[in-house]
Amino acid sequence: ETVMTQSPATLSVSPGERATLSCRASQSVSITLAWYQQKPGQAPRLLIYGASTRATDIPARFSGSGSGTEFTLTISSLQSEDFAVYYCQQYDNWPPTFGQGTRLEIK
Amino acid sequence: QVQLQQSGPGLVKPSQTLTLTCAISGDTISSNSVAWNWIRQSPSRGLEWLGRTYYRSKWYNHYAVSVGSRITINPDTSKNQLSLQLNSVTPEDTAVYYCARDQGIAVAVNWGQGTLVTVSS
Repeated sequence: ETVMTQSPATLSVSPGERATLSCRASQSVSITLAWYQQKPGQAPRLLIYGASTRATDIPARFSGSGSGTEFTLTISSLQSEDFAVYYCQQYDNWPPTFGQGTRLEIK
Repeated sequence: QVQLQQSGPGLVKPSQTLTLTCAISGDTISSNSVAWNWIRQSPSRGLEWLGRTYYRSKWYNHYAVSVGSRITINPDTSKNQLSLQLNSVTPEDTAVYYCARDQGIAVAVNWGQGTLVTVSS
């Protein structure tokens, strides 16, 4: 099973600034990497798949990069609605596995 | 627009069977380009993908080793819904359970609302 590790656990950023979240896989997953956003009391929402492809209706300020074992989610200019928990997930091998999450909080 | 509506009990006794249902609208469960999944989330285990079912001329199922032989995912084509059965539950199975739809790759595009299931006597 591929272990996904996210850093940092918590990230404090001011609105309007850039946020950079990291995700590392215990073995190469090529570009089969997705990112989700979750707000309290809600199901996760898909943001990115294929490491860098935005899902439907996801704003352009969200971007993903990386391949192999190192991945990054960047939010270019934080809006109030972006403060949430973010998860990465690999789907290169079964079962799909998630990171433990990065909580993005307002500084 | 695809919608997934979950139903089922919020409390299950230890050693009993957890059963949840996910009613699908806006798509057909036997579509040959999508798959249907159960994922759970708990503070101790995080997000955990439990299993996946899909139709490609016949039905296929894949289950996570973590739930081993305790899990069954059943598609019901007459009602356009899928179910989750998890046998011999323990308090470790306490979690929010989600059904989810993917579009042929194991990336959850559409999610149910989630069901908190507590395992307790």
